[in-house]
Amino acid sequence: EADIYQTPRYLVIGTGKKITLECSQTMGHDKMYWYQQDPGMELHLIHYSYGVNSTEKGDLSSESTVSRIRTEHFPLTLESARPSHTSQYLCASRLAGAAGELFFGEGSRLTVL
Amino acid sequence: LAKTTQPISMDSYEGQEVNITCSHNNIATNDYITWYQQFPSQGPRFIIQGYKTKVTNEVASLFIPADRKSSTLSLPRVSLSDTAVYYCLLLTGANNLFFGTGTRLTVIP
Repeated sequence: EADIYQTPRYLVIGTGKKITLECSQTMGHDKMYWYQQDPGMELHLIHYSYGVNSTEKGDLSSESTVSRIRTEHFPLTLESARPSHTSQYLCASRLAGAAGELFFGEGSRLTVL
Repeated sequence: LAKTTQPISMDSYEGQEVNITCSHNNIATNDYITWYQQFPSQGPRFIIQGYKTKVTNEVASLFIPADRKSSTLSLPRVSLSDTAVYYCLLLTGANNLFFGTGTRLTVIP
């Protein structure tokens, strides 16, 4: 059982609101990731982090931002939500090194009206 | 940038063995080959990982030829609960991990 948690699991919110999706892991993993996935579609990497105070953008451009102040915590923020942000957001983590298994949270399904 | 290519979909009857092949022509020396399974509305889950030859665990086998430019995930005697999307992924020390489109496996009664 992976010790990586995402909240909220589901969120319905109006356009223009600021939202933060939380992701926490208790495995001491250095590397953390955010993926975005629309129903039936592939996962797209939108952000990743090597460790504390390290964040990078992924292959899919995203208006969201992330922070990594603590090893275990990697929140994703949308300053002004829009309907185009409606999607599932998946957080993952793994140990540094070539063979580290990637552990996923259960996802946060965001709907922006 | 190391990426993988897999069939978009496959169908199989219950009880049969399923083999899903992944191409990764640009695999690097340090890359490990990893397979994940994803059910609807859930995050992907690790199935198996290998570097070369054959790896087997309680749920699957992974076959990797000597040149490592492809790999085959083998699921023995699939059941309806194996219906899912299966992703082949190259895992390296690099930080950008790409899942691709995956293979949608449908198990038919």
